[in-house]
Amino acid sequence: GENVEQHPSTLSVQEGDSAVIKCTYSDSASNYFPWYKQELGKGPQLIIDIRSNVGEKKDQRIAVTLNKTAKHFSLHITETQPEDSAVYFCAASKGVNDYKLSFGAGTTVTVRA
Amino acid sequence: NAGVTQTPKFQVLKTGQSMTLQCAQDMNHNSMYWYRQDPGMGLRLIYYSASEGTTDKGEVPNGYNVSRLNKREFSLRLESAAPSQTSVYFCASIMVSEQFFGPGTRLTVL
Repeated sequence: GENVEQHPSTLSVQEGDSAVIKCTYSDSASNYFPWYKQELGKGPQLIIDIRSNVGEKKDQRIAVTLNKTAKHFSLHITETQPEDSAVYFCAASKGVNDYKLSFGAGTTVTVRA
Repeated sequence: NAGVTQTPKFQVLKTGQSMTLQCAQDMNHNSMYWYRQDPGMGLRLIYYSASEGTTDKGEVPNGYNVSRLNKREFSLRLESAAPSQTSVYFCASIMVSEQFFGPGTRLTVL
């Protein structure tokens, strides 16, 4: 099955700085790569996703890049704010409508004011 | 977590007891999923339902059963709870990039 590895497990950044989280996956058939933000006591919330026919996608302060050859993808958060503090998960799945997601172990991001 | 409700929010069971976790969505999505989340690990897929009337196993199905009662509801049943099933359980409803996870059920098995 798919194996998704996520690094780092914890990340502390100064407010206003950038945060980068990296994930690798094992199954070359995977073609959908979402990122989730989970706040304490809540379920994961989709914040951005990318498909294999796209190399980069941006939504305001958040961007995701994908390198299918190397089988890795990254989340970039610019101009971090205290409300960005949360646990972030990457995931991967195969197929256009297949959302059987394999998740990374998560990154706890702390934004210092 | 608009659109997906889960009950109960918390539950404590003794080993061997049974219970059903309920999930409902009001977004008319075809696909629904059950995941469990353990400390230091990402979510792992237990069972999923691609459409009403169909269910299939995920990565960690042992000890669980599911029922897709109708398009709205997807329940997860533990027939004989074990301490290894202590976890937080999330139901998800997904259609294309419209994804919603429920608030979770925190289950402790003693």
